[in-house]
Amino acid sequence: DTAVSQTPKYLVTQMGNDKSIKCEQNLGHDTMYWYKQDSKKFLKIMFSYNNKELIINETVPNRFSPKSPDKAHLNLHINSLELGDSAVYFCASSQVEANTEAFFGQGTRLTVV
Amino acid sequence: ILNVEQSPQSLHVQEGDSTNFTCSFPSSNFYALHWYRWETAKSPEALFVMTLNGDEKKKGRISATLNTKEGYSYLYIKGSQPEDSATYLCAFSNGNKLVFGAGTILRVKS
Repeated sequence: DTAVSQTPKYLVTQMGNDKSIKCEQNLGHDTMYWYKQDSKKFLKIMFSYNNKELIINETVPNRFSPKSPDKAHLNLHINSLELGDSAVYFCASSQVEANTEAFFGQGTRLTVV
Repeated sequence: ILNVEQSPQSLHVQEGDSTNFTCSFPSSNFYALHWYRWETAKSPEALFVMTLNGDEKKKGRISATLNTKEGYSYLYIKGSQPEDSATYLCAFSNGNKLVFGAGTILRVKS
């Protein structure tokens, strides 16, 4: 069983479309995250979310929104996709208070054409 | 705002060299400091989770130290090998959320 799974692994779409990337974790963790791997390969946090608080990186455009139907899921919804949104997006989860490591999904490579 | 900084941004070394990089984090509200190894086309994987000031952890040729009072951690790699090439991430936890640094990209040339 994969601990953190993202779908799809690859997503090619046209500019202006709206798309979602799904993330699910089966670890019972209390916190989930979305990260964007930028063009220089650095990992930049977009959102962190637990059942108490959504923390948004203020540099993230409001076209990006996290949606959490339940504790095990944190989906990333993107409106009006732009060419510059092309990147690899990673989902992760952790049990922050337990000081355990974070587990990552395999990444979703988004290409906007 | 939690600021986690890593330096250098990238590093190129020769096979056999020993190297180290730094992670700086807030010295207040410390809960834990994590190190991850991130290989190309894979997901980041945890190396260490450190919680106590003065902690030292070791896994093979890789080791890490922690100074929570001054807010820094060092990651050391002894006798670098080409397979050590990866991005090394640190992450700071205040007990509420986990914030990652931008990473240090290590390239080891044979």
